[in-house]
Amino acid sequence: DAGVTQSPTHLIKTRGQQVTLRCSPKSGHDTVSWYQQALGQGPQFIFQYYEEEERQRGNFPDRFSGHQFPNYSSELNVNALLLGDSALYLCASSSGLVGETQYFGPGTRLLVL
Amino acid sequence: DAKTTQPNSMESNEEEPVHLPCNHSTISGTDYIHWYRQLPSQGPEYVIHGLTSNVNNRMASLAIAEDRKSSTLILHRATLRDAAVYYCILQSGNTPLVFGKGTRLSVIA
Repeated sequence: DAGVTQSPTHLIKTRGQQVTLRCSPKSGHDTVSWYQQALGQGPQFIFQYYEEEERQRGNFPDRFSGHQFPNYSSELNVNALLLGDSALYLCASSSGLVGETQYFGPGTRLLVL
Repeated sequence: DAKTTQPNSMESNEEEPVHLPCNHSTISGTDYIHWYRQLPSQGPEYVIHGLTSNVNNRMASLAIAEDRKSSTLILHRATLRDAAVYYCILQSGNTPLVFGKGTRLSVIA
Protein backbone atom coordinates (compact mmCIF):
# COMPACT_ATOMS: atom_id res chain seq x y z
CA ASP A 1 0.00 0.00 0.00
CA ALA A 2 1.60 3.22 -1.17
CA GLY A 3 1.62 6.04 1.30
CA VAL A 4 1.28 9.69 0.43
CA THR A 5 3.34 10.61 -2.60
CA GLN A 6 4.37 14.07 -3.79
CA SER A 7 5.98 15.40 -6.92
CA PRO A 8 8.37 16.83 -7.73
CA THR A 9 10.80 16.29 -4.86
CA HIS A 10 12.73 19.48 -5.57
CA LEU A 11 12.02 22.56 -7.64
CA ILE A 12 13.81 25.82 -8.41
CA LYS A 13 11.87 28.83 -9.66
CA THR A 14 12.48 32.55 -10.01
CA ARG A 15 10.49 35.40 -8.51
CA GLY A 16 7.21 36.09 -10.26
CA GLN A 17 6.86 32.61 -11.71
CA GLN A 18 4.07 30.17 -10.96
CA VAL A 19 4.44 26.65 -9.59
CA THR A 20 2.22 23.57 -9.31
CA LEU A 21 2.88 20.85 -6.77
CA ARG A 22 1.12 17.49 -6.79
CA CYS A 23 -0.01 15.04 -4.14
CA SER A 24 -1.54 11.57 -4.20
CA PRO A 25 -3.17 10.56 -0.92
CA LYS A 26 -2.84 7.27 0.90
CA SER A 27 -5.22 4.62 -0.40
CA GLY A 28 -8.64 4.96 1.20
CA HIS A 29 -8.18 8.60 2.18
CA ASP A 30 -10.42 11.32 0.80
CA THR A 31 -9.10 14.44 2.57
CA VAL A 32 -5.91 16.26 1.61
CA SER A 33 -4.23 19.05 3.56
CA TRP A 34 -1.29 21.19 2.49
CA TYR A 35 1.34 22.69 4.79
CA GLN A 36 4.28 25.02 4.29
CA GLN A 37 7.41 24.47 6.39
CA ALA A 38 10.07 27.15 6.45
CA LEU A 39 13.55 26.23 7.56
CA GLY A 40 13.74 25.66 11.31
CA GLN A 41 9.98 26.06 11.81
CA GLY A 42 7.07 23.69 12.25
CA PRO A 43 4.69 23.15 9.34
CA GLN A 44 2.03 25.83 8.81
CA PHE A 45 -1.43 24.89 7.53
CA ILE A 46 -2.33 26.27 4.10
CA PHE A 47 -5.66 24.63 3.26
CA GLN A 48 -7.59 21.38 3.26
CA TYR A 49 -9.62 19.76 0.48
CA TYR A 50 -12.51 17.35 0.84
CA GLU A 51 -14.95 16.24 -1.87
CA GLU A 52 -13.15 18.51 -4.35
CA GLU A 53 -13.91 21.60 -2.27
CA GLU A 54 -11.66 23.75 -0.08
CA ARG A 55 -12.99 23.02 3.40
CA GLN A 56 -10.62 25.03 5.59
CA ARG A 57 -7.94 27.62 4.93
CA GLY A 58 -5.07 28.97 6.95
CA ASN A 59 -3.63 32.47 6.90
CA PHE A 60 -2.18 32.41 3.40
CA PRO A 61 -2.79 34.90 0.57
CA ASP A 62 -4.88 34.19 -2.50
CA ARG A 63 -1.70 33.52 -4.47
CA PHE A 64 -1.96 30.07 -2.92
CA SER A 65 -4.72 28.03 -4.48
CA GLY A 66 -5.50 24.38 -4.83
CA HIS A 67 -7.58 21.74 -6.44
CA GLN A 68 -8.74 18.24 -5.64
CA PHE A 69 -9.60 15.74 -8.34
CA PRO A 70 -12.27 13.01 -8.32
CA ASN A 71 -9.58 10.42 -7.48
CA TYR A 72 -8.76 12.52 -4.36
CA SER A 73 -5.34 13.60 -5.62
CA SER A 74 -4.59 17.27 -5.18
CA GLU A 75 -2.56 20.15 -6.55
CA LEU A 76 -1.16 23.22 -4.84
CA ASN A 77 -0.62 26.26 -7.06
CA VAL A 78 1.38 29.32 -6.08
CA ASN A 79 1.33 32.39 -8.32
CA ALA A 80 3.69 35.35 -8.42
CA LEU A 81 6.35 33.58 -6.40
CA LEU A 82 8.24 35.54 -3.75
CA LEU A 83 11.60 34.73 -2.21
CA GLY A 84 9.75 34.03 1.04
CA ASP A 85 7.82 31.20 -0.59
CA SER A 86 10.97 29.10 -0.47
CA ALA A 87 10.07 26.23 1.83
CA LEU A 88 9.22 22.56 2.12
CA TYR A 89 5.63 21.96 1.02
CA LEU A 90 3.99 19.02 2.71
CA CYS A 91 0.85 17.17 1.75
CA ALA A 92 -1.07 15.13 4.33
CA SER A 93 -4.01 12.82 3.79
CA SER A 94 -6.63 11.46 6.14
CA SER A 95 -10.04 9.86 6.13
CA GLY A 96 -11.60 13.10 7.35
CA LEU A 97 -13.03 11.57 10.49
CA VAL A 98 -12.83 13.53 13.74
CA GLY A 99 -9.43 13.17 15.38
CA GLU A 100 -8.19 10.97 12.57
CA THR A 101 -4.45 10.62 12.05
CA GLN A 102 -2.90 12.53 9.19
CA TYR A 103 -0.32 10.81 7.01
CA PHE A 104 2.33 13.07 5.51
CA GLY A 105 4.23 12.78 2.27
CA PRO A 106 7.97 13.48 2.00
CA GLY A 107 7.36 17.00 0.74
CA THR A 108 8.46 19.13 -2.18
CA ARG A 109 11.33 21.49 -1.52
CA LEU A 110 10.82 24.74 -3.41
CA LEU A 111 13.59 27.27 -3.85
CA VAL A 112 12.69 30.69 -5.24
CA LEU A 113 15.62 32.72 -6.58
CA ASP B 1 -0.34 29.95 17.46
CA ALA B 2 0.41 26.56 18.92
CA LYS B 3 -1.48 25.87 22.14
CA THR B 4 1.29 23.70 23.55
CA THR B 5 4.68 24.38 25.15
CA GLN B 6 7.63 22.05 24.70
CA PRO B 7 11.35 22.29 25.50
CA ASN B 8 13.41 23.31 22.49
CA SER B 9 15.75 20.37 22.75
CA MET B 10 16.54 17.24 24.74
CA GLU B 11 19.30 14.70 24.72
CA SER B 12 19.22 11.00 25.52
CA ASN B 13 21.61 8.11 25.58
CA GLU B 14 20.91 5.19 23.29
CA GLU B 15 18.96 2.33 24.88
CA GLU B 16 17.71 4.62 27.67
CA PRO B 17 14.08 5.70 28.14
CA VAL B 18 13.14 9.21 27.06
CA HIS B 19 10.37 11.35 28.54
CA LEU B 20 9.32 14.26 26.33
CA PRO B 21 7.09 16.74 28.19
CA CYS B 22 4.33 18.94 26.81
CA ASN B 23 2.28 21.59 28.58
CA HIS B 24 -1.19 22.47 27.32
CA SER B 25 -2.83 24.40 30.14
CA THR B 26 -5.63 25.79 27.93
CA ILE B 27 -6.77 22.40 26.64
CA SER B 28 -10.51 22.07 26.07
CA GLY B 29 -12.65 19.03 26.74
CA THR B 30 -12.82 18.09 23.05
CA ASP B 31 -9.10 18.44 22.31
CA TYR B 32 -7.19 15.31 21.45
CA ILE B 33 -3.46 15.28 22.24
CA HIS B 34 -1.46 14.21 19.20
CA TRP B 35 2.26 13.54 18.89
CA TYR B 36 4.05 13.59 15.58
CA ARG B 37 7.75 13.40 14.86
CA GLN B 38 9.80 14.57 11.91
CA LEU B 39 13.00 12.80 11.02
CA PRO B 40 15.61 14.71 9.02
CA SER B 41 14.57 15.31 5.41
CA GLN B 42 11.18 13.64 5.87
CA GLY B 43 7.59 14.68 6.41
CA PRO B 44 6.06 14.44 9.89
CA GLU B 45 5.14 10.96 11.08
CA TYR B 46 2.28 10.11 13.45
CA VAL B 47 3.44 8.69 16.77
CA ILE B 48 0.47 8.45 19.12
CA HIS B 49 -2.63 10.28 20.30
CA GLY B 50 -5.02 10.23 23.23
CA LEU B 51 -7.90 12.03 24.89
CA THR B 52 -7.95 11.26 28.61
CA SER B 53 -6.43 7.87 29.32
CA ASN B 54 -2.84 6.80 28.90
CA VAL B 55 -2.14 5.13 25.57
CA ASN B 56 0.41 2.60 24.38
CA ASN B 57 1.40 1.51 20.91
CA ARG B 58 4.39 -0.16 19.31
CA MET B 59 6.25 3.15 18.98
CA ALA B 60 5.67 4.86 22.30
CA SER B 61 3.48 5.51 25.32
CA LEU B 62 1.49 8.63 26.08
CA ALA B 63 0.94 9.59 29.70
CA ILE B 64 -1.76 12.22 30.21
CA ALA B 65 -2.05 14.14 33.47
CA GLU B 66 -5.29 13.76 35.37
CA ASP B 67 -6.21 17.42 34.76
CA ARG B 68 -5.11 17.02 31.09
CA LYS B 69 -3.00 20.19 31.30
CA SER B 70 0.17 18.30 30.47
CA SER B 71 1.28 15.07 28.85
CA THR B 72 4.48 13.10 28.37
CA LEU B 73 5.59 11.07 25.38
CA ILE B 74 7.64 8.10 26.50
CA LEU B 75 10.08 6.29 24.24
CA HIS B 76 10.96 3.18 26.18
CA ARG B 77 14.39 2.58 24.62
CA ALA B 78 15.78 5.36 22.49
CA THR B 79 17.65 4.37 19.35
CA LEU B 80 19.63 6.51 16.94
CA ARG B 81 16.68 6.32 14.55
CA ASP B 82 14.53 8.14 17.13
CA ALA B 83 16.54 11.34 16.68
CA ALA B 84 13.95 13.77 15.34
CA VAL B 85 11.82 16.82 16.13
CA TYR B 86 8.82 15.78 18.23
CA TYR B 87 5.65 17.85 18.03
CA CYS B 88 2.86 17.86 20.61
CA ILE B 89 -0.39 19.12 19.06
CA LEU B 90 -3.93 19.68 20.31
CA GLN B 91 -6.68 18.98 17.81
CA SER B 92 -10.43 19.33 18.15
CA GLY B 93 -12.88 18.05 15.57
CA ASN B 94 -11.58 18.46 12.04
CA THR B 95 -9.50 21.53 12.79
CA PRO B 96 -6.11 21.55 11.09
CA LEU B 97 -2.97 20.55 12.95
CA VAL B 98 -1.21 23.57 14.46
CA PHE B 99 2.50 22.81 14.80
CA GLY B 100 4.82 24.66 17.16
CA LYS B 101 8.58 24.36 16.98
CA GLY B 102 8.61 21.02 18.78
CA THR B 103 11.42 19.39 20.76
CA ARG B 104 14.57 18.36 18.94
CA LEU B 105 15.66 15.02 20.41
CA SER B 106 19.30 14.02 20.06
CA VAL B 107 20.29 10.43 20.80
CA ILE B 108 23.87 9.72 21.78
CA ALA B 109 25.41 6.34 21.01
